[in-house]
Amino acid sequence: IAGITQAPTSQILAAGRRMTLRCTQDMRHNAMYWYRQDLGLGLRLIHYSNTAGTTGKGEVPDGYSVSRANTDDFPLTLASAVPSQTSVYFCASSGDRVLFFGPGTRLTVL
Amino acid sequence: AQSVTQPDIHITVSEGASLELRCNYSYGATPYLFWYVQSPGQGLQLLLKYFSGDTLVQGIKGFEAEFKRSQSSFNLRKPSVHWSDAAEYFCAVGTPGGGADGLTFGKGTHLIIQP
Repeated sequence: IAGITQAPTSQILAAGRRMTLRCTQDMRHNAMYWYRQDLGLGLRLIHYSNTAGTTGKGEVPDGYSVSRANTDDFPLTLASAVPSQTSVYFCASSGDRVLFFGPGTRLTVL
Repeated sequence: AQSVTQPDIHITVSEGASLELRCNYSYGATPYLFWYVQSPGQGLQLLLKYFSGDTLVQGIKGFEAEFKRSQSSFNLRKPSVHWSDAAEYFCAVGTPGGGADGLTFGKGTHLIIQP
């Protein structure tokens, strides 16, 4: 069982480019989340999804969009990347009130 | 809304010494409480959780935490640390019935182990 996979592992992106971070889980969890982690700021929730077909905004949603077409996949899209979106991005899913995290994507926007 | 404070950004402990990492939360009722650990370059792994019942909870890797309602605290402890415990530790709070919007995390405590 893989749990949660994220792709790519890391990416360097030019400002203004569009980028989609992929997240797939095989635990059949209904709820999924995207967090960003920044030094000194901890983890901050970007978007979440209670179940397939629904999404919601977290603490820092601006500049990001998500979709949830099915239970397993929860991609995060940056429509036009900016340097302030340089961060490590973690996807997570929730089962039995516990969050399970993916390994993360390190994104650098130049 | 709930919040979490981890007062110590960095803590240095000698190998074999005891450890206590502090966590204070703000929430109007009894929250769900968690400690996660993050090794360098890795994702977060659950150490332990508290939902209800016994206020002293045991976790993996020899860690334990105690929920103290009167102090709004959920401090993490380990009697004897190992060099492999060097990592970032996050306390988190969730609300009963509010799982859909995830957890609120503290900013983390970086644990350094001295030989």
